[in-house]
Amino acid sequence: NAGVTQTPKFRVLKTGQSMTLLCAQDMNHEYMYWYRQDPGMGLRLIHYSVGEGTTAKGEVPDGYNVSRLKKQNFLLGLESAAPSQTSVYFCASSYSGGMNTEAFFGQGTRLTVV
Amino acid sequence: AQKITQTQPGMFVQEKEAVTLDCTYDTSDPSYGLFWYKQPSSGEMIFLIYQGSYDQQNATEGRYSLNFQKARKSANLVISASQLGDSAMYFCAMKEAAGNKLTFGGGTRVLVKP
Repeated sequence: NAGVTQTPKFRVLKTGQSMTLLCAQDMNHEYMYWYRQDPGMGLRLIHYSVGEGTTAKGEVPDGYNVSRLKKQNFLLGLESAAPSQTSVYFCASSYSGGMNTEAFFGQGTRLTVV
Repeated sequence: AQKITQTQPGMFVQEKEAVTLDCTYDTSDPSYGLFWYKQPSSGEMIFLIYQGSYDQQNATEGRYSLNFQKARKSANLVISASQLGDSAMYFCAMKEAAGNKLTFGGGTRVLVKP
């Protein structure tokens, strides 16, 4: 099973460029999340979705937009990349938002903004 | 305010010995779940163990056990009989029943010495 797949795995952007990160899950999960991981700060939630057509802001949403047009896909967009957005991005999904529901993670996308 | 605190940025452990990774949390929700994830150098996030706030017994999964002290708001991970493959980053995370989000601590890097 593929689980959660992120595309691309690596990317280098110039400041001001835009890009979209794609997350796809094949587990029919309702909830999907985008996190960024920076050294010493763990994973911080950017945006999340509790179902098709819904999105909500997380802890660090500024500079990012998301869309969930299809249940299986969750897109993260950077309209005008900044060096501060250099990070490793993780997508995750879970069956529900219940407190005992495990989140399944993608392999991560390493983004460098120069 | 940070809800999950991991005070040990890094630690060494001798192969075959046990190691305890500290995690304290803060929540006013009486219903919550606590998770531990492992992140090896390859980058993926691997779910290890779960503890619910109403669980009477400490969770165990193979060589992993969770020392849950509810009154102290701590959920320490114990890895017994450490192996070289246990060298990784370890993250503690919490999900409140009233919320939809998994919140992570800053992580602890473990290096197992032969």
